Amino acid sequence: NAGVTQTPKFRILKIGQSMTLQCTQDMNHNYMYWYRQDPGMGLKLIYYSVGAGITDKGEVPNGYNVSRSTTEDFPLRLELAAPSQTSVYFCASSSPRAGDYGYTFGSGTRLTVV
Amino acid sequence: GDSVTQMEGPVTLSEEAFLTINCTYTATGYPSLFWYVQYPGEGLQLLLKATKADDKGSNKGFEATYRKETTSFHLEKGSVQVSDSAVYFCALSGGQGAQKLVFGQGTRLTINP
Repeated sequence: NAGVTQTPKFRILKIGQSMTLQCTQDMNHNYMYWYRQDPGMGLKLIYYSVGAGITDKGEVPNGYNVSRSTTEDFPLRLELAAPSQTSVYFCASSSPRAGDYGYTFGSGTRLTVV
Repeated sequence: GDSVTQMEGPVTLSEEAFLTINCTYTATGYPSLFWYVQYPGEGLQLLLKATKADDKGSNKGFEATYRKETTSFHLEKGSVQVSDSAVYFCALSGGQGAQKLVFGQGTRLTINP
């Protein structure tokens, strides 16, 4: 049982480049999320999805885009990378079963923009 | 909006010491409350949770009680081990719609042998 898988684990981008962070889950969870973690700041929600074909903005969506064409996959796209996007990115998924609101997290992608 | 405030770290303790990490929250309605743990180089893992007032979540010797009257969810452990060294996050969910979690800033815990 792989859970939530993120690729790549590490990446260095130059300012203005673009890239896609991949996220896939094998638990048939309807809900998926992208967070960024900045040092000492906790996690901030970038985008989330409640099912295939449905996405919505979180707290810090500027500079990012997402898509959800299947239940399993939820890629995060960075266009025109900026130094402010240097962070650790976590993908997560959850199930809407009553009383069970815990997330399953991926192991993260550490992104540096130089 | 909803928010979570954790005690500032880092926290350094000796093995077998008693641990408390404070967490208070602000939320509308009746949120579910969580503690997550992040070991070095890894993603977050759910440590324990409580979904209604006076519930006690527990796991691996850690406990936290949902206190509605003080809007708190403090994490405790009676005797910490070196292997407990990690970053701990308190979080809440409104429990509606997409179950979006709101996280505290995290508390780094280091246990010395």
